[in-house]
Amino acid sequence: DQQVKQNSPSLSVQEGRISILNCDYTNSMFDYFLWYKKYPAEGPTFLISISSIKDKNEDGRFTVFLNKSAKHLSLHIVPSQPGDSAVYFCAARISNAGGTSYGKLTFGQGTILTVHP
Amino acid sequence: GAVVSQHPSRVICKSGTSVKIECRSLDFQATTMFWYRQFPKQSLMLMATSNEGSKATYEQGVEKDKFLINHASLTLSTLTVTSAHPEDSSFYICSARSTGGVQFFGPGTRLTVL
Repeated sequence: DQQVKQNSPSLSVQEGRISILNCDYTNSMFDYFLWYKKYPAEGPTFLISISSIKDKNEDGRFTVFLNKSAKHLSLHIVPSQPGDSAVYFCAARISNAGGTSYGKLTFGQGTILTVHP
Repeated sequence: GAVVSQHPSRVICKSGTSVKIECRSLDFQATTMFWYRQFPKQSLMLMATSNEGSKATYEQGVEKDKFLINHASLTLSTLTVTSAHPEDSSFYICSARSTGGVQFFGPGTRLTVL
């Protein structure tokens, strides 16, 4: 059961334009969401996160939007740069799951972003 | 952001040998560390959650006797792949959670078992 889904395996954007990466989840208990960027043969790099008590969080060129009713979040990158080309993973977590699984992240499948010069 | 290191970055070993991978949080203390495995073109698969000073919690389907995890201090966790076989070849990534709740990942270790 894929609780976090990134339905677009890839996205291609022109440099300077906006990149919008989408993520859907099914578990309404998730209350904390994160976006990671990953280059091949490297570990994921944390980009930005959002708590379920907010609907928007912004950090520089990166903005994450959360729509709890739709169980949907998105990452906006403006303006997109060639160096942003990577795989982007969204992840979700239940902050107070209790037991031995407290706080583990559930990842989406990833979206490959390619920003063309 | 916080820094998590892994050593070695890549290792090639013969089938039947054991391999130890170290994960360190360099500038913060991590009471909880995680070990992931990533197959080509797939998402990260959580293998186990490691809490400092206690036994690791393994995800379903992960053999605890094959993947030994030790979290001896607030900055160090180790994963030992015992009696490695070619099917264990993969990219192993550790992660450490800060007190703020964000997980920071190490650079990964490429294991190749011949």
